[in-house]
Amino acid sequence: DVVMTQSPLSLPVTLGQPASISCRSSQSVVYSDGNSYLSWFQQRPGQSPRRLIYEVSNRDSGVPDRFSGSGSGTDFTLKISRVEAEDVGVYYCMQGTRWPYTFGQGTELEIK
Amino acid sequence: EVQLVESGGGLVQPGGSLRLSCAASGFTFSDYWMSWVRQAPGKGLEWVAHIKHDGSVKWYVDSVRGRFTVARDNAANSLYLQLNTLRAEDTAVYYCARGSAAVWGQGTLVTVSS
Repeated sequence: DVVMTQSPLSLPVTLGQPASISCRSSQSVVYSDGNSYLSWFQQRPGQSPRRLIYEVSNRDSGVPDRFSGSGSGTDFTLKISRVEAEDVGVYYCMQGTRWPYTFGQGTELEIK
Repeated sequence: EVQLVESGGGLVQPGGSLRLSCAASGFTFSDYWMSWVRQAPGKGLEWVAHIKHDGSVKWYVDSVRGRFTVARDNAANSLYLQLNTLRAEDTAVYYCARGSAAVWGQGTLVTVSS
């Protein structure tokens, strides 16, 4: 299985400041079609997960542009340009290239 | 509005069975792969099963293969997960998700305990 490793696991951030989460895969997540099926999800307390980013850097509809994704091969990053109170929650990366699809352990973002 | 609504969760004894359902609306159900993803209490996410548009391809994570069965009824816009030989470690919220999890339901809690 492809192991997804996130860091940090806990991320205290001051409101208005940037935040960054790293995700590394144990194998390349580049599919045979050339795409990398790497997604980022946000799970606010008590809610279902919500997809923010798909195929490394594409924002889902309705996702604020302060969220951005980047990376390639085995190293990926989710960045929040200016953290807002509503961003509190757990963030997961996920690879959808090789079955079984696998998630990272999650990064808990909190406001300092 | 695109919506997924799960049902069928509950308390079941170890070794027991349960059938989860997911009702889809607001999109053409038969156009999408569909999935079940679970989350144990206080833990992370685990992709459990994945089924092709027409039901001809089904994938399972190793921990549930042979015990769980995913199915769909495109005419009824519904996804199902049959859970057999349940174990304590299957206790989780089970989410229905569309495609590569662009859309999620609210989840249904399965508790396996004596």
